[in-house]
Amino acid sequence: GIQVEQSPPDLILQEGANSTLRCNFSDSVNNLQWFHQNPWGQLINLFYIPSGTKQNGRLSATTVATERYSLLYISSSQTTDSGVYFCAVGGDYGQNFVFGPGTRLSVLP
Amino acid sequence: DAMVIQNPRYQVTQFGKPVTLSCSQTLNHNVMYWYQQKSSQAPKLLFHYYDKDFNNEADTPDNFQSRRPNTSFCFLDIRSPGLGDAAMYLCATSRDLAVAAGGYFGPGTRLTVT
Repeated sequence: GIQVEQSPPDLILQEGANSTLRCNFSDSVNNLQWFHQNPWGQLINLFYIPSGTKQNGRLSATTVATERYSLLYISSSQTTDSGVYFCAVGGDYGQNFVFGPGTRLSVLP
Repeated sequence: DAMVIQNPRYQVTQFGKPVTLSCSQTLNHNVMYWYQQKSSQAPKLLFHYYDKDFNNEADTPDNFQSRRPNTSFCFLDIRSPGLGDAAMYLCATSRDLAVAAGGYFGPGTRLTVT
C-alpha cells in the first residue's frame, strides 16, 4: 500500500516563529488532506489539497502531485497551534485513506 | 453547536465483553467513518458508510462491525474486545466521498479494556 512520511517528527517553536511541515507519499493520489489534532484529541480538517496551493489565515499548503509531496506552512505561530499535524492521502472515493505518522508541534509562549 | 457527537466519551469494558460505541451527526452528510487511534499513533480507518453502503478496509479485523440505521446515526460494535483494542475511536463525516475522506471529526470515545 501507499506509504506516507512526515517531517520533522517533532518541532518546538517560540511564539511568532514560522514553520514548514512536509509530507511525502509513495504513489500518486487523488485525495490529500492536512489535519490538526489539538492536545485534547480533537481532529480538525485544515485543507483538502490534492494539488496546488491554498491559504487560510496564517496557514497555507502546497501540494506538488507530480513530485509526491505536500507542504504545510504556519506563519506567526501561536500557542494554540500546538498539537499534532497529520497528512492523510487516499483515492478519490475514500478508499485506502492513510494517515502519516504526524508532526508534533509545540509552540512556547 | 456540536455537529458530530460521540457517546460515551469514555468507555470501560471487560476483556471479551461486547461493547457498542455511538456516533450521531447533525450535518446530514452522506458518509460516516470510524477510525481507531492508538496512543501516539495516527488514526487508522476501519470502515465507512456511503449512505447505506458499507465499505470495510481490507485489514479491519472481523471483531469490528458497524451499523448505520439512518443518516444521522452510526454504531461501532466490538464483539469480543481484547486488550489490544484499547484506543481512541473517532467518528467522522463528509458530504460525499469525492470531496474528502473524513471532513468533520467527533471528539472521540476512549475505550479501556480491563
